[in-house]
Amino acid sequence: GAVVSQHPSRVICKSGTSVKIECRSLDFQATTMFWYRQFPKQSLMLMATSNEGSKATYEQGVEKDKFLINHASLTLSTLTVTSAHPEDSSFYICSARDYRTENIQYFGAGTRLSVL
Amino acid sequence: AQSVTQPDIHITVSEGASLELRCNYSYGATPYLFWYVQSPGQGLQLLLKYFSGDTLVQGIKGFEAEFKRSQSSFNLRKPSVHWSDAAEYFCAAMNRDDKIIFGKGTRLHILP
Repeated sequence: GAVVSQHPSRVICKSGTSVKIECRSLDFQATTMFWYRQFPKQSLMLMATSNEGSKATYEQGVEKDKFLINHASLTLSTLTVTSAHPEDSSFYICSARDYRTENIQYFGAGTRLSVL
Repeated sequence: AQSVTQPDIHITVSEGASLELRCNYSYGATPYLFWYVQSPGQGLQLLLKYFSGDTLVQGIKGFEAEFKRSQSSFNLRKPSVHWSDAAEYFCAAMNRDDKIIFGKGTRLHILP
């Protein structure tokens, strides 16, 4: 099946720093990628939808200036958490839609962000 | 509003016993339906999907799911669970080219 690689798997940073998370589709082209946030023992919350070559579409309540998304190629999307604070600590998961298999999303392994 | 409901937060079964995880959806028309599994600290793995056609869908790891339009349900089943099946299971739904909506998840515990 299609593989989505997410890096890093875990990151610890100081408050006020920025953190970049990468999401790559390894064996398919993804015109659309999605970024989710998951709180402990809860479901996934969609943060934004990222389309290659255009601006991301953010869900209501998600700060676009805090969570910068770039989708510069058909295989790479990045999420940058700017000026991170402890409340941004969470599990972030990306997914990519494989256009060949019609509306199936494949998920990365997630990134555990801890802000001290 | 569109929604996906998983009524059971936790399910505990003995190893070797059968399993059924419930999922109901509320959509204007029949959406695409999915079951994903998540191991601790991991991303989501697709178990199976239903788009159309045969209402009994076979997936990976011995799982199957049955779509029942009259009940707006898409329950996940496995005839005999293994200890390695302990994980969080998410039911999800989406309309074509729309965003996916997840249920809150069911955590499966396996007794030895």
